[in-house]
Amino acid sequence: SQTIHQWPATLVQPVGSPLSLECTVEGTSNPNLYWYRQAAGRGLQLLFYSVGIGQISSEVPQNLSASRPQDRQFILSSKKLLLSDSGFYLCAWRGGMQEGPRANTGELFFGEGSRLTVL
Amino acid sequence: SQQGEEDPQALSIQEGENATMNCSYKTSINNLQWYRQNSGRGLVHLILIRSNEREKHSGRLRVTLDTSKKSSSLLITASRAADTASYFCATDYSWGKLQFGAGTQVVVTP
Repeated sequence: SQTIHQWPATLVQPVGSPLSLECTVEGTSNPNLYWYRQAAGRGLQLLFYSVGIGQISSEVPQNLSASRPQDRQFILSSKKLLLSDSGFYLCAWRGGMQEGPRANTGELFFGEGSRLTVL
Repeated sequence: SQQGEEDPQALSIQEGENATMNCSYKTSINNLQWYRQNSGRGLVHLILIRSNEREKHSGRLRVTLDTSKKSSSLLITASRAADTASYFCATDYSWGKLQFGAGTQVVVTP
């Protein structure tokens, strides 16, 4: 079965410090990968998505960047955090065209999230 | 801007009652999905309805889709305390991209 892991679960960082959030998926290959951010009491904002290694699409210009160094690894980074970067970051994956029963369904599978507080 | 917007923002009901929430969106879609989020957790997929479908059922869930009005509704029948969560609609408007609304916070009291 497929699983998705995100870490760290919680972190508190000072303004201007760097950030690295990691997400890995197991049990599938060539997934589409996504980073979303959720502000308190709000919906999800799509930040980045990736359809393959080294292929990153950015949805919102901002202080963050993403990388996909391996097929099932997705990393969210920042060189210098801003107060506005605080939020709940969620990684998600979706099966590619080659997947079995879930091919083309569009269902996203989410990790448990990383809560970032920038002080 | 967010593609989907849920209504109401919050809903408080008693166990056994039905909970209905609505979602409106702005552009053409491939499908519309509903997700559930328990406090501080990731989202869990509930149900997907394609643009050529009008109604879909899954257990105690019933989803409708009206593409002419660009709206959808989620009905949870016979609510339980364990249904307490936030519910989000998400529209698949482009391959690989889902846009989420702000959610409806549902509280079910015993």
